Amino acid sequence: DQQVKQNSPSLSVQEGRISILNCDYTNSMFDYFLWYKKYPAEGPTFLISISSIKDKNEDGRFTVFLNKSAKHLSLHIVPSQPGDSAVYFCAASAMVLGSARQLTFGSGTQLTVLP
Amino acid sequence: DTGVSQDPRHKITKRGQNVTFRCDPISEHNRLYWYRQTLGQGPEFLTYFQNEAQLEKSRLLSDRFSAERPKGSFSTLEIQRTEQGDSAMYLCASRTLYGGQHNEQFFGPGTRLTVL
Repeated sequence: DQQVKQNSPSLSVQEGRISILNCDYTNSMFDYFLWYKKYPAEGPTFLISISSIKDKNEDGRFTVFLNKSAKHLSLHIVPSQPGDSAVYFCAASAMVLGSARQLTFGSGTQLTVLP
Repeated sequence: DTGVSQDPRHKITKRGQNVTFRCDPISEHNRLYWYRQTLGQGPEFLTYFQNEAQLEKSRLLSDRFSAERPKGSFSTLEIQRTEQGDSAMYLCASRTLYGGQHNEQFFGPGTRLTVL
């Protein structure tokens, strides 16, 4: 039972264009959502997050949108750069009293930005 | 470098052997997590420490797995009688007690285990 799903294993975009990565979730208890970027042979690196009380959060070229009614979030990268080529993971955590606040990850999307 | 470190980075072992991995979290972080990542999947939660106390374990953590965090600093993850299905990347992450501005966890580079 995958609680966080990234249905696109890969995405290719041209340098300078917009990259849109999508993520769906099923657990209504999730109240915090994060995006991580991962290069080969490295651990995941935090990129941007959003609380469930918001619908948008922006940080430079990166914007995350949250649609709670659809249980859907997306990461927009504008403009895309070749250095953005990596695997992007969507992750979520639930606020349950006494919980570990562990992250539940999607399976990732390999983004390739073509020069 | 004050990030999360893990040792070793790679481990190749034969089926049936025991292996131990070490994680050194960011020094002021109370919370420490272990995750496992297999090919084509995202990391999956294994276990969680708050200081030296192991407070949560995933059902993925079989009896052959044990983790410790003596004195609330570094942590070790031991796998006894390794099986080929244990081959994966083992990731350690840490964070402050209240999550900071973004509620994020900081990950180490991982230990890649190959069981032959």
